[in-house]
Amino acid sequence: DIQMTQSPSTLSASVGDRVTITCRASQSISSWLAWFQQRPGKAPKLLIYKASALEIGVPSRFSGSGSGTEFTLTISSLQPDDFATYYCQQYNDYSGTFGQGTKVEIK
Amino acid sequence: QVQLVQSGPEVKKPGSSVTVSCKASGGTFSSHAVSWVRQAPGQGLEWMGGIIPLFGTTNYAQKFQGRVTITADESTSTAYMELSRLRSEDTAVYYCARGAYYYDSRGYFIDLWGQGTLVTVSA
Repeated sequence: DIQMTQSPSTLSASVGDRVTITCRASQSISSWLAWFQQRPGKAPKLLIYKASALEIGVPSRFSGSGSGTEFTLTISSLQPDDFATYYCQQYNDYSGTFGQGTKVEIK
Repeated sequence: QVQLVQSGPEVKKPGSSVTVSCKASGGTFSSHAVSWVRQAPGQGLEWMGGIIPLFGTTNYAQKFQGRVTITADESTSTAYMELSRLRSEDTAVYYCARGAYYYDSRGYFIDLWGQGTLVTVSA
């Protein structure tokens, strides 16, 4: 199975901060990577797919980059609505593994 | 607007099996990849496996091989996940999820989620 490693596990930040979350794959997944946001008690919400494509309706302050084994999710200016947990997911080679998640907390 | 509607909460004894269903209301699974993802209390998302109804193929995470069975009935646009030999650590919310099947990636893309089904395993 392809393993996905996210860092950091927890991130403390303030409204207006620029925030970056990193995701590493145990083998190359080309650009087959998605990012999800999850709020407590809710199903995850797709933010980014194919490493850098913004899902319709997602604010442009969210962006994704990377290919191969290294990927990043950036929130350019953190808003109150963005305090949540974020997951990367690879969708390559007959599987769909998630990273362990990054909780973005209020500083 | 397509929705994935899952069956209701379950309480099961250790050693038993559970089946969770997922119906695509207002749509189908025909050209999609269907995944099952679980989330234990306070924990992260865990991909368990999936099915490509178009090909009738299934794929399972190594951790669940031999214990999970995923099927789909295209005539009713319903997918099923059966987990056997339940233990307390299987207590979790189980989600079905759907996404387009990309021939280049051959993986399980997700852009639509069910509401989740809580399965509690307790003696």
